[in-house]
Amino acid sequence: GENVGLHLPTLSVQEGDNSIINCAYSNSASDYFIWYKQESGKGPQFIIDIRSNMDKRQGQRVTVLLNKTVKHLSLQIAATQPGDSAVYFCAENKGAAGNKLTFGGGTRVLVKP
Amino acid sequence: NAGVTQTPKFQVLKTGQSMTLQCAQDMNHEYMSWYRQDPGMGLRLIHYSVGAGITDQGEVPNGYNVSRSTTEDFPLRLLSAAPSQTSVYFCASSRREVKRGSPRYTFGSGTRLTVV
Repeated sequence: GENVGLHLPTLSVQEGDNSIINCAYSNSASDYFIWYKQESGKGPQFIIDIRSNMDKRQGQRVTVLLNKTVKHLSLQIAATQPGDSAVYFCAENKGAAGNKLTFGGGTRVLVKP
Repeated sequence: NAGVTQTPKFQVLKTGQSMTLQCAQDMNHEYMSWYRQDPGMGLRLIHYSVGAGITDQGEVPNGYNVSRSTTEDFPLRLLSAAPSQTSVYFCASSRREVKRGSPRYTFGSGTRLTVV
């Protein structure tokens, strides 16, 4: 079936280093791919999205890359900080389907001081 | 603005009991959704609504009912709780029209439900 999944369940990163979180997807019909951050005890929070016709988008300290050839999505966090410790989810959206989101399984990022 | 408010934050039910998880948003968002999150997993869509009076099923709707009588409220009802419904439940809302980018969902802080 169609799904959005992740390669790595846990990523340990030294403070100040760059983090790369990966996600594989199988549905090529999505309009947008989105990254969410979920801190302990809280709901997911939007980080950045990328439209399906783009291959790169940059935000503040974050970059999302989309490789449609291999159906791969990644989130790069520059100069990782302790506040970046969280679980990160990729999700896909098909706008015509009532704005529904389909989430992947999540990657936990642990930032070591 | 309070955003998306979910109540209660924690709940323990016995098998067979019924209850309603409340969700309210004050952002005048058209879209509202309920998700469940099981340990170590992503969120799965239970039910969603594109506006008052309109609801539809998501990926895992069995055992749950919803209604949307107002734009602000989107309660989720468990008819007869089962241990398999032990999970964290998140409500989310978004605008229907977004000029740029994907719909920006705002999530509540969740309800942690345990069914014994």
